[in-house]
Amino acid sequence: KQEVTQIPAALSVPEGENLVLNCSFTDSAIYNLQWFRQDPGKGLTSLLLIQSSQREQTSGRLNASLDKSSGRSTLYIAASQPGDSATYLCAVQGGGADGLTFGKGTHLIIQP
Amino acid sequence: GAGVSQSPSNKVTEKGKDVELRCDPISGHTALYWYRQRLGQGLEFLIYFQGNSAPDKSGLPSDRFSAERTGESVSTLTIQRTQQEDSAVYLCASSLVRSGELFFGEGSRLTVL
Repeated sequence: KQEVTQIPAALSVPEGENLVLNCSFTDSAIYNLQWFRQDPGKGLTSLLLIQSSQREQTSGRLNASLDKSSGRSTLYIAASQPGDSATYLCAVQGGGADGLTFGKGTHLIIQP
Repeated sequence: GAGVSQSPSNKVTEKGKDVELRCDPISGHTALYWYRQRLGQGLEFLIYFQGNSAPDKSGLPSDRFSAERTGESVSTLTIQRTQQEDSAVYLCASSLVRSGELFFGEGSRLTVL
């Protein structure tokens, strides 16, 4: 059974810093990996989708990498802003018939 | 609409009552997923629909839970004889194809008293 772990569980940094969020998964047979953000009381917003054949994806200040063989992904946030404060979730879609398996998330606070 | 729409946004019910939650996916999306998120917890997969194929119900926690989808349109998640542990946010997501990017609705918050 696929398990997804996100480290750290919580992170608080001053505005302007670059930071890295980590995601690891136990079964490397995946279709894709997706990063989301979730604001309090809201649904999930897709940030980046990396297909299993890709190594990284970039969108603005965000860069996500995927190392499928080692079961790891990182989300890099450059020049962090208070508006980046949210919970960041990593999810993998495996080869089975089920949906995405989610990590428990990293709760990020950017201090103004 | 432009995004995934869910209703109701909030539902308070008494223990033992049945509830229906509705999801309108993005038009043209063949894949539809239901997830549950309990307070302070991660997302739990419930059920997955792909086109006209038989749904994957492997995540449904008990036989009180059921879901339907008509073709590639609206889906309803039904919880019968609700229990307090059913209190959670129920999230629906859709994607164009099975391995595509997932788009989530805002969720339906269910409170069972």
